[in-house]
Amino acid sequence: NAGVTQTPKFQVLKTGQSMTLQCAQDMNHEYMSWYRQDPGMGLRLIHYSVGAGITDQGEVPNGYNVSRSTTEDFPLRLLSAAPSQTSVYFCASSPRASSNQPQHFGDGTRLSIL
Amino acid sequence: AQRVTQPEKLLSVFKGAPVELKCNYSYSGSPELFWYVQYSRQRLQLLLRHISRESIKGFTADLNKGETSFHLKKPFAQEEDSAMYYCALLNGGSQGNLIFGKGTKLSVKP
Repeated sequence: NAGVTQTPKFQVLKTGQSMTLQCAQDMNHEYMSWYRQDPGMGLRLIHYSVGAGITDQGEVPNGYNVSRSTTEDFPLRLLSAAPSQTSVYFCASSPRASSNQPQHFGDGTRLSIL
Repeated sequence: AQRVTQPEKLLSVFKGAPVELKCNYSYSGSPELFWYVQYSRQRLQLLLRHISRESIKGFTADLNKGETSFHLKKPFAQEEDSAMYYCALLNGGSQGNLIFGKGTKLSVKP
């Protein structure tokens, strides 16, 4: 099993550009989430999904959209990139919401907005 | 409000010394707590969770509800323990989101 796969690993964008960060898991997990990791801020939740067709906002959702059309995929869309969105983005999954099973993380996407 | 506090941004110890990474939480119910570790250029991975009461790589963490703490301890630090450590609290209910602390960077010197 590949676990949680994120693409791309690195990306540089110009302000105002849009792009989609891909996340896929092959563990049939119901719960998926996106975090951003910034120095001194830890990990902050952007959006999450408790199952296919269901998404909700986390702590810092502004400027990002998500969808969950399948159990496996949970893409994160930047609508109009801003320098404040320069960060490392992590996707994670776990068997189900409110599970005390550990979340599995992807390798991350390092995104720079110029 | 639910919150996780890791008061130390950086903790530096010598090899063989004891190490304690502090974590305090604020939660109204019965907390479920985790420690995640991120080694250099690697993904976050679970180190341990309080419900399992296990010891992983020599690390232990005890939940102290009176002090609302979940400190991570190891009696003898190794150089390979150098990493970023995050304490996390499971947000209960139907959400199941993790609330992370800001992290503590552990540096073990030879």
